[in-house]
Amino acid sequence: RKEVEQDPGPFNVPEGATVAFNCTYSNSASQSFFWYRQDCRKEPKLLMSVYSSGNEDGRFTAQLNRASQYISLLIRDSKLSDSATYLCVVTVNDYKLSFGAGTTVTVRA
Amino acid sequence: GAVVSQHPSRVICKSGTSVKIECRSLDFQATTMFWYRQFPKQSLMLMATSNEGSKATYEQGVEKDKFLINHASLTLSTLTVTSAHPEDSSFYICSAPHREVYSGANVLTFGAGSRLTVL
Repeated sequence: RKEVEQDPGPFNVPEGATVAFNCTYSNSASQSFFWYRQDCRKEPKLLMSVYSSGNEDGRFTAQLNRASQYISLLIRDSKLSDSATYLCVVTVNDYKLSFGAGTTVTVRA
Repeated sequence: GAVVSQHPSRVICKSGTSVKIECRSLDFQATTMFWYRQFPKQSLMLMATSNEGSKATYEQGVEKDKFLINHASLTLSTLTVTSAHPEDSSFYICSAPHREVYSGANVLTFGAGSRLTVL
């Protein structure tokens, strides 16, 4: 079983729609969780950290469910510019970071 | 915020030559650097982890003699693709962990990537 698994998608949604997807992790000792965004032919960039109580950054909401070992990302009022691949990154300690293969989101006009 | 500078961004070389890619942490010390490879429309694949002052740790299936990694200082790690062949053409990205000020969590900052094309 992979350490971090994501639904690859693609999630094709119209502008203005809400899209949500999860990332599951296998190591119960995982400590920190992040969502990264990767645009085509570019490097991944940190979108947001995921805190235990859940957190929101504008149209983006991240949740952590430790009991079921998954994190989620919800995008409200999707924009064309939200089209990207979203990677989840999970850390066990300072030197063990695992990331998923990414979920592709395509927002259409 | 933390920045990792990666060079060159793009390189085209002839088959059989060696190519060196550098990653520098600009405003923090990177005792660890991760090196990845990404083929078109595929996910990032971790190749190796370099640690300052010690030998790199390679992932299964990655040839250490072909992909030479050197982490000579706290701010510089290099990846050398030796005797490159067309199948080595790929997008190579480095990343370094550093402490997020707000949470104290270890966050990855990625270099901009190096696109290697071997003719």
